[in-house]
Amino acid sequence: NAGVMQNPRHLVRRRGQEARLRCSPMKGHSHVYWYRQLPEEGLKFMVYLQKENIIDESGMPKERFSAEFPKEGPSILRIQQVVRGDSAAYFCASSPSGDNQPQHFGDGTRLSIL
Amino acid sequence: DQQVKQNSPSLSVQEGRISILNCDYTNSMFDYFLWYKKYPAEGPTFLISISSIKDKNEDGRFTVFLNKSAKHLSLHIVPSQPGDSAVYFCAASFTGNQFYFGTGTSLTVIP
Repeated sequence: NAGVMQNPRHLVRRRGQEARLRCSPMKGHSHVYWYRQLPEEGLKFMVYLQKENIIDESGMPKERFSAEFPKEGPSILRIQQVVRGDSAAYFCASSPSGDNQPQHFGDGTRLSIL
Repeated sequence: DQQVKQNSPSLSVQEGRISILNCDYTNSMFDYFLWYKKYPAEGPTFLISISSIKDKNEDGRFTVFLNKSAKHLSLHIVPSQPGDSAVYFCAASFTGNQFYFGTGTSLTVIP
């Protein structure tokens, strides 16, 4: 998993607070993807971004969740007014292009909601 | 709506023998398939992929087989080694960017 950096590795928030998860893609990769893994489940696609653009957000919940990938800096997944059900592992992946290429994953952020 | 299914949650294999992990999918539009390996507290690591124009792809000890008519994918690991013990996820895509993951199979290779 070298190359895709996610921070923090663990994040604890109380209900109603905001959570910000960061992802720096591998060097040379301009495509970023966010996935969520609930306990005992596989990874579920959330959103696909390129620099300054959201390409596909079909897996994002309609409310409270947003993502960005600015021209400078890491991609951010933002969860507002967190609830217990947001507790999960959130993984970021990157690829050099978006067409049938393996995505390389970071080690994830474990979000726990108290 | 689980479009990619791994029906065996776990598998145990003796060291040196073959491990066969299976995956079924429902969406006939899928044209790119991958296998990932995951250790606890780490992200998935890419292992091997196959496009729908092929029925087999091999990389060292790992071979992926694709049966499009049966909508079935399998990963063969031979010979299996204790370091192969991990959770294996299959994934599929038809857009090239959004991957659909199975729920994983936990492989234990017994020394």
